[in-house]
Amino acid sequence: QVTLRESGPALVKPTQTLTLTCTFSGFSLTTGGMSVTWVRQPPGKALEWLALIDWDDDKRYTTSLETRLTISKDTSKNQVVLTMTDMDPVDTATYYCARAYGVKSFDFWGRGTLVTVSS
Amino acid sequence: EIVMTQSPATLSLSPGDRATLSCRASQSIGTTVAWYQQKPGQAPRLLIYGASTRATGIPARFSGSGSGTEFTLTISSLQSEDFAVYYCQQYNDWPPITFGQGTRLEIK
Repeated sequence: QVTLRESGPALVKPTQTLTLTCTFSGFSLTTGGMSVTWVRQPPGKALEWLALIDWDDDKRYTTSLETRLTISKDTSKNQVVLTMTDMDPVDTATYYCARAYGVKSFDFWGRGTLVTVSS
Repeated sequence: EIVMTQSPATLSLSPGDRATLSCRASQSIGTTVAWYQQKPGQAPRLLIYGASTRATGIPARFSGSGSGTEFTLTISSLQSEDFAVYYCQQYNDWPPITFGQGTRLEIK
């Protein structure tokens, strides 16, 4: 049974760095073709892809936020971590992690975590 | 960056109706399109990948078609649980992976 769960702060202040952790089970990020990604969704708005890490540690980022994002994995803990620097109120959103296996469509998702950026 | 444009923004239909949702890519992307369903307060759910392959456990009333720049998600006979927001996503030319802005399917 594949599950993913996001964790991190619900509230961050402007200019702070956000660190989110995706803890997963039911699959291994050492399996060829496996990936974990982060997607966010501002309240009432559409989905926005942020970053993806592959089983071989290849990392890709959305171009508009590339300078602020870092994705990493800890295969021993079955975790993927996303950091986003210099947070702004416009970064207020629900942040989801999800899995891809082979093709880059996302077949399992976490429930998401709402992050509010406010002073 | 490939832009995915969905239409209509809102679709009002009745249970039992046939729903046709469209997604257009700003350049040709073969069949590297996925469709997701999202209900309020829930994570997206993968329905279709590869433009036409149903994901595991997805009912046969959901079907996808298209290639190149024009894609369609069809729901053959709407059930009450199908009223939700639907997103298309491309994964042909990335980064970035991009989503459409969504189509809200509401009860008429």
